[in-house]
Amino acid sequence: QSALTQPASVSGSPGQSITISCTGTSSDIGTYNLVSWYQQHPGKAPILIISEGGKRPSGVSNRFSGSKSGNTASLTISGLQAEDEADYYCCSYAGSTTYVLFGGGTKLTVL
Amino acid sequence: QVHLVQSGTEVKKPGASVKVSCKTSGYIFTDYYIHWFRQAPGQGLEWMGWINPNSGDTNSAQDFQGWVTMTGDTSISTAYMALSRLRSDDTAVYYCAREQTLGAAFDIWGQGTMVTVSS
Repeated sequence: QSALTQPASVSGSPGQSITISCTGTSSDIGTYNLVSWYQQHPGKAPILIISEGGKRPSGVSNRFSGSKSGNTASLTISGLQAEDEADYYCCSYAGSTTYVLFGGGTKLTVL
Repeated sequence: QVHLVQSGTEVKKPGASVKVSCKTSGYIFTDYYIHWFRQAPGQGLEWMGWINPNSGDTNSAQDFQGWVTMTGDTSISTAYMALSRLRSDDTAVYYCAREQTLGAAFDIWGQGTMVTVSS
């Protein structure tokens, strides 16, 4: 199965909101409500920021929110802050054999 | 506090094998699946497979079947990932991560282990 599709880059100014899309197929995002999102700063391990499409783990800012429509999931970051500048990856369950697929990652630049 | 601590940097020659460890603490090792991922330089994340530490059952991605081995030692709460017949394009940071219960989401990650394959 192919990886999920994310834009390579997005940018926004401090205080603004941005949305990162993640497009899959009816075999992954479209069927399962098990999309997760990860934030990764350079040289660091990924951090889970959204699970099961829209749940935030304890300690994750409520400026991060997730949603899904059809075969596309989205991550919205509101009130952009400099510390949000990082790479963001979406991930979806895709069945017991493939298990999970990742998007190629989106680099967020805070202008 | 939950931690996953991985073994250190490895440099291997093509054709060799590597074994990366992932020592867990702060939770019951057998209660959560451990997954392995890798990230080539400048690239995205790639899922390699999982191990159920309770049963020892494993499942690996099709691309890794036959040359990745995942094991666990419950006595020291540690998971292992071994990769054989290394090639230069296996150069990557390898991560272990704990899967949340029934969620296909990975809530705790190791710090990563850099494996360089070079002649």
